[in-house]
Amino acid sequence: TQLLEQSPQFLSIQEGENLTVYCNSSSVFSSLQWYRQEPGEGPVLLVTVVTGGEVKKLKRLTFQFGDARKDSSLHITAAQPGDTGLYLCAGAPPYNNNDMRFGAGTRLTVKP
Amino acid sequence: DTAVSQTPKYLVTQMGNDKSIKCEQNLGHDTMYWYKQDSKKFLKIMFSYNNKELIINETVPNRFSPKSPDKAHLNLHINSLELGDSAVYFCASSPQLGRVMNTEAFFGQGTRLTVV
Repeated sequence: TQLLEQSPQFLSIQEGENLTVYCNSSSVFSSLQWYRQEPGEGPVLLVTVVTGGEVKKLKRLTFQFGDARKDSSLHITAAQPGDTGLYLCAGAPPYNNNDMRFGAGTRLTVKP
Repeated sequence: DTAVSQTPKYLVTQMGNDKSIKCEQNLGHDTMYWYKQDSKKFLKIMFSYNNKELIINETVPNRFSPKSPDKAHLNLHINSLELGDSAVYFCASSPQLGRVMNTEAFFGQGTRLTVV
């Protein structure tokens, strides 16, 4: 059983469309991170959310942390082909900050 | 001035061989990790070290042995390689608990291991 469940697993959309991907857990996290991974590269941090209910914006990307700090969402507005990649959420339980776990990821393809 | 660097980037070897992957970080972080990413892209934690001390050792075969000579290095040695070991192995580092609230990880570019 994975600590973090991501959905959808795959998403293919046209340029200009909006999308939301989700990261859910039954556990509470002190913080959650979102990473993007491109082929042949390691994951790169996009954002960290810390406070329940927090919303962070990164250009066309909006990240939200659930009030109970058990889930998070990533919304992309007007997706572009450059947004294509594997989006991973990650978090560590409050009792062990070194035990960082990743979700299985959402593979996003944005077609021109 | 790469933050987390691992070598080699590609490694092709025969079953039964022993191989090592090296990792170095120049970020001054206290915690380092090894992750394995399988063909389905699932990143699974293998080991976590904090200040050269083993913190997390997941259910990884004991053919895998991490070694941390200092807090800037975490190498991974694999004995008697098997076909199922083929994957991309990522090294990562993060700041220590207590200095920052969250645990962002900085990843190397990965080592693609192919066992034939």
